[in-house]
Amino acid sequence: EVQVLESGGDLVQPGGSLRLSCAASGFTFNNYAMSWVRQAPGKGLEWVSLISGTGGNTYYADSLKGRFTISRDNSKNTLYLQMNSLRAEDTAIYYCSRGGRLNDYWGQGTLVTVSS
Amino acid sequence: DVVMTQSPLSLPVTLGQPASISCRSSLSLVYSDGNTYLSWFQQRPGQSPRRLIYNVSNRDSGVPDRFSGTGSGTDFTLSISRVEAEDVGVYYCMQATHWPFSFGQGTKLEIK
Repeated sequence: EVQVLESGGDLVQPGGSLRLSCAASGFTFNNYAMSWVRQAPGKGLEWVSLISGTGGNTYYADSLKGRFTISRDNSKNTLYLQMNSLRAEDTAIYYCSRGGRLNDYWGQGTLVTVSS
Repeated sequence: DVVMTQSPLSLPVTLGQPASISCRSSLSLVYSDGNTYLSWFQQRPGQSPRRLIYNVSNRDSGVPDRFSGTGSGTDFTLSISRVEAEDVGVYYCMQATHWPFSFGQGTKLEIK
């Protein structure tokens, strides 16, 4: 059974950093691109970042460039999102999903709250 | 960036009646490989998004056949032939042809 499970969400002060993780199982991890999508409270879905199966190609939403870094460890079947210089507007549930273009499996999400 | 515009944003429907949601993109979603990367997602209250339809019209495993997707180029539609109570939630279209990928604003389906 395909599963992706996010973790690492927390309350963090503005300007702080946080690293999210997404543990994958039930499929050959390095065969798939992986994505992060976020959802601010009561709002719609927003693309954050995408990484290829090998990790050699990464893409980011324009508004996030330079602050967020996506990476993966294929030996651990784990996806990461390093978030720096966090702002109040980064408060959201962050979802991990399998795939770049097709996003067929999603995790339950992890909540990041940026507040003083 | 590609803008995805859904309508309506609110959709009250009587149980057993049909429903449809429109999604229009600001650019053609036909990719160089010939595929059109337009998907539909359902998000029930308190749950994660669930993919219903991919590549315009392909229904995911386990998705009831009352859900169908049609369209081409820049105009797409999600149809529900007979709405059931479990269909309540927010529906999003998503394009994954042009980076940055983008979602529509969401359409909230409720039972009238």
